[in-house]
Amino acid sequence: AQTVTQSQPEMSVQEAETVTLSCTYDTSESNYYLFWYKQPPSRQMILVIRQEAYKQQNATENRFSVNFQKAAKSFSLKISDSQLGDTAMYFCAFMKQWNNAGNMLTFGGGTRLMVKP
Amino acid sequence: DGGITQSPKYLFRKEGQNVTLSCEQNLNHDAMYWYRQDPGQGLRLIYYSHIVNDFQKGDIAEGYSVSREKKESFPLTVTSAQKNPTAFYLCASSPTMDRYYSNQPQHFGDGTRLSIL
Repeated sequence: AQTVTQSQPEMSVQEAETVTLSCTYDTSESNYYLFWYKQPPSRQMILVIRQEAYKQQNATENRFSVNFQKAAKSFSLKISDSQLGDTAMYFCAFMKQWNNAGNMLTFGGGTRLMVKP
Repeated sequence: DGGITQSPKYLFRKEGQNVTLSCEQNLNHDAMYWYRQDPGQGLRLIYYSHIVNDFQKGDIAEGYSVSREKKESFPLTVTSAQKNPTAFYLCASSPTMDRYYSNQPQHFGDGTRLSIL
């Protein structure tokens, strides 16, 4: 079984600054996917960024980037130029390589991020 | 537009009462999932179904029941055996037969907030 741990329950950052959210995971799988989801106060689950474990290059989506350290089983999210709209809960999630049983996700406990003006 | 519809948005349960949360999807996905989210916490899997007329317990299935009579629908019943039902409930779906998953591993509904009267 996989476990996902987010060790920072709450974080805050000043608008326009950079913040990094931590995530570690435990798995015996060699091929898998990792995701960061954002859940704003509206409670919608929004996919922010994804990383395939077989790719060495860290994923980037505009102001969001990851630092994927496969050997250390670490998957941190960096938000650059933080905006007020980034205020949300952020969840790290793990998915085993595709199989015909569907895309099962294992979520971390979340990090509440507050962006201050 | 394709998506997942959860209803109602808010639901209140009386003591000893069973209530049913609706989840409908028009994405033609085979797999569907129910999650429970407590305040400030991550998502915990209640039940999932990979195909019509089949479903499996997740991590916290006690006090809940589901059915999967149609591909599009996966209703969740919160029974009177669930002594602490107050939570936010999220439904999700995913493909199972795509070897390369779609842009999102799981598509989420907007959730139902359940409270005890």
